[in-house]
Amino acid sequence: QKEVEQDPGPLSVPEGAIVSLNCTYSNSAFQYFMWYRQYSRKGPELLMYTYSSGNKEDGRFTAQVDKSSKYISLFIRDSQPSDSATYLCAMSYNQGGKLIFGQGTELSVKP
Amino acid sequence: DSGVTQTPKHLITATGQRVTLRCSPRSGDLSVYWYQQSLDQGLQFLIQYYNGEERAKGNILERFSAQQFPDLHSELNLSSLELGDSALYFCASSVTRESAYNEQFFGPGTRLTVL
Repeated sequence: QKEVEQDPGPLSVPEGAIVSLNCTYSNSAFQYFMWYRQYSRKGPELLMYTYSSGNKEDGRFTAQVDKSSKYISLFIRDSQPSDSATYLCAMSYNQGGKLIFGQGTELSVKP
Repeated sequence: DSGVTQTPKHLITATGQRVTLRCSPRSGDLSVYWYQQSLDQGLQFLIQYYNGEERAKGNILERFSAQQFPDLHSELNLSSLELGDSALYFCASSVTRESAYNEQFFGPGTRLTVL
């Protein structure tokens, strides 16, 4: 069993929809939780990070961490075609440590 | 543009060969990380260097090695290449400050194809 599980999709939604992306993990020692976005043939770029449990909002994006359930989510409101990409959740045990990634969810937002 | 550069962009080689991938971190970043991305395994951590010293090791094969030079650029050496080594190899860098979140900035990657 992988340490971090993520449904690879693909996920297709109409423009303007609310998108929910999720990951589960098995190791309770994770403290930092990240969401990266990766466009085709590009390197991943950080969207949001959260330390420990809680919610964080940045524009149309909201990240949630529930450590008791070992479950993290990313919500995208008013999704746009430019949001079409692969979304990777990532976790780390400590500051500056290695990132452990989920498989990535491929999202397509149709105009 | 993340500020992390990787060369070459593409590399095609044969089984049994050896290749070197190069990474230049963002200015001021002391940590360099190497990751491998393949369809079946996803994005996996290989190794981390901090200011020239190895800091952490992941599931890096013995045929693979890396180093970080005094100017902080890093090289990943892959030898005795096998078909299964075909993947995207990413380098990331971070500043590694104790007081703030140390975002890892990823380069554009090197696509390795082993024939």
